Amino acid sequence: SQTIHQWPATLVQPVGSPLSLECTVEGTSNPNLYWYRQAAGRGLQLLFYSVGIGQISSEVPQNLSASRPQDRQFILSSKKLLLSDSGFYLCAWSAGTSHTGELFFGEGSRLTVL
Amino acid sequence: GQNIDQPTEMTATEGAIVQINCTYQTSGFNGLFWYQQHAGEAPTFLSYNVLDGLEEKGRFSSFLSRSKGYSYLLLKELQMKDSASYLCAVRDGDYKLSFGAGTTVTVRA
Repeated sequence: SQTIHQWPATLVQPVGSPLSLECTVEGTSNPNLYWYRQAAGRGLQLLFYSVGIGQISSEVPQNLSASRPQDRQFILSSKKLLLSDSGFYLCAWSAGTSHTGELFFGEGSRLTVL
Repeated sequence: GQNIDQPTEMTATEGAIVQINCTYQTSGFNGLFWYQQHAGEAPTFLSYNVLDGLEEKGRFSSFLSRSKGYSYLLLKELQMKDSASYLCAVRDGDYKLSFGAGTTVTVRA
């Protein structure tokens, strides 16, 4: 069966510090991968999605970046965090061969920038 | 872009029925999803509609009208564990999934 993991689960970072969130998927090949952010009381905002290694589409031009160094690995990064980067970050995957497949979410990473 | 609207909050009594409406305006349409999200947790998939009509899954049903840009999620025989946020999401013509802000349902005894 397919599983998705992301880490760390919780982190508190000072403004201006770097960020790295990692997500891996197991049990499937060539998944579509996504990073979403959910601010407190807000909906899910799509940040990045990827349909293959090295292929990243950005939805939100901010101080965040994403990379996909391997087929089932998706990394969200920032060189300098802002207060507004605080939120609940969710990695998700969907079947690459099926455009009708639902998203499966990781456990989430709660980021607090102080 | 996408515009997805759903009520912010709803309250209902245990054992009752609640209907959560969702309206959307999208550039292309490739399906509508409903997700459940408990506080502090990741969303979990509930239902998927791509054709007009009603899809039933146990106590949960979801309806879609593509011509009206409208969907609803029906929760029957409410239980306390159904207290959660319910997210309406639409897949657009580019197959990206965009979410509404969510409807927080509170079930009271």
